[in-house]
Amino acid sequence: DIQMTQSPSSLSASVGDRVTITCRASQSIRSYLNWYQQKPGKAPELLIYAASNLQSGVPSRFSGSGSGADFTLTISSLQPEDCATYYCQQSYNAPYSFGQGTKLEIK
Amino acid sequence: QVTLKESGPALVKPTQTLTLTCTFSGFSLTTSGMRVSWIRQPPGKALEWLARIDWDDDKFYSTSLKTRLTISKDTSRNQVVLTMTNMDPVDTATYYCARIQAMSDAFDMWGQGTMVTVSS
Repeated sequence: DIQMTQSPSSLSASVGDRVTITCRASQSIRSYLNWYQQKPGKAPELLIYAASNLQSGVPSRFSGSGSGADFTLTISSLQPEDCATYYCQQSYNAPYSFGQGTKLEIK
Repeated sequence: QVTLKESGPALVKPTQTLTLTCTFSGFSLTTSGMRVSWIRQPPGKALEWLARIDWDDDKFYSTSLKTRLTISKDTSRNQVVLTMTNMDPVDTATYYCARIQAMSDAFDMWGQGTMVTVSS
């Protein structure tokens, strides 16, 4: 099975900051990497699919990059509503797997 | 408009079998390429993928849970059913169903989730 490792597990940043979250797979997953945002008490929502494609309706301040085993989610200018937990997920093959999550707080 | 909604018992006893139903609308599991998965999340913990069923009835399971899981579909009722045997308190979680996007295999639409507590 493919293991996904996210870092950091938590971070605190100020409104307007550029924020980066990384995700590493235990093997190459080409570009089969997706990012989700989850707010407390809510279901996750898809932000980025296939490593760098913005899901419809997601603000353009979110972007994704990477291929192979190393990936990055970037928020170009942090907004208060971005306070959430972010998960990466590999869809290269089943069984699928998620990272452990990154909890993002606003200073 | 695509919607998914999970239903099932809120409380089960240890050793019992859990049956959860995902009722969806806005797409059909008879359409080539369509797939639905179940994912769970224990309180305060990360997401864990459980199972997937495809339009052609292919099925895939979590390696660690595959002996306990069965996924099935009822295309006439637009439902996907997950059963999990021998429930344990560590299985206490919110259980989600989600549609899988055809090209990327990302989970593009999620249900609201249903909380299941395992306790005697």
